[in-house]
Amino acid sequence: DTGVSQDPRHKITKRGQNVTFRCDPISEHNRLYWYRQTLGQGPEFLTYFQNEAQLEKSRLLSDRFSAERPKGSFSTLEIQRTEQGDSAMYLCASSEQGTGGTEAFFGQGTRLTVV
Amino acid sequence: GNSVTQMEGPVTLSEEAFLTINCTYTATGYPSLFWYVQYPGEGLQLLLKATKADDKGSNKGFEATYRKETTSFHLEKGSVQVSDSAVYFCALSASSSNTGKLIFGQGTTLQVKP
Repeated sequence: DTGVSQDPRHKITKRGQNVTFRCDPISEHNRLYWYRQTLGQGPEFLTYFQNEAQLEKSRLLSDRFSAERPKGSFSTLEIQRTEQGDSAMYLCASSEQGTGGTEAFFGQGTRLTVV
Repeated sequence: GNSVTQMEGPVTLSEEAFLTINCTYTATGYPSLFWYVQYPGEGLQLLLKATKADDKGSNKGFEATYRKETTSFHLEKGSVQVSDSAVYFCALSASSSNTGKLIFGQGTTLQVKP
């Protein structure tokens, strides 16, 4: 297994357009997370899936954001009507189900620039 | 709510110097504590972790001890190398929720000069 992969690595879009990012987790991991990281800050939690169920969403996830994990494998994060404030690195992570000390494995992220 | 505070960077050291990066947290109960590292051009990687009070996590010469009494998890290394130059993130996973969700500090950039 090559780890968590994200596609695309970079995305430049015009304000108002919709964008979709994909995350492929480590295959045996049933937990999947999305985080957002802005320059000079640590990652901020957006949402969490256990298998195909979305179990938690941050208040950061406005109604323009939607995430899916249809078969409990890969996940997509869609941003509708993008705004300049959406420019950030979007990180995906996956882990096995376990206690709070379970390691999360991160992808390299998708860098979004809204112009 | 739960939060993590790290010392501000950047931290610039000469090779073989001693490193300390301070991290304190606010959380109810007994969270799990982590240090993640982000090397240039790479994704976040787990460096070390501790899951209960007085535990010491260690890896690649780095150490951190879970101090419940001071709510701290400071990262230390006795002799840094140029290859340690990276951004270091302290994080916690709350014991009150078993989701594994991480709360990160803002990160500390370390630059090691030869």
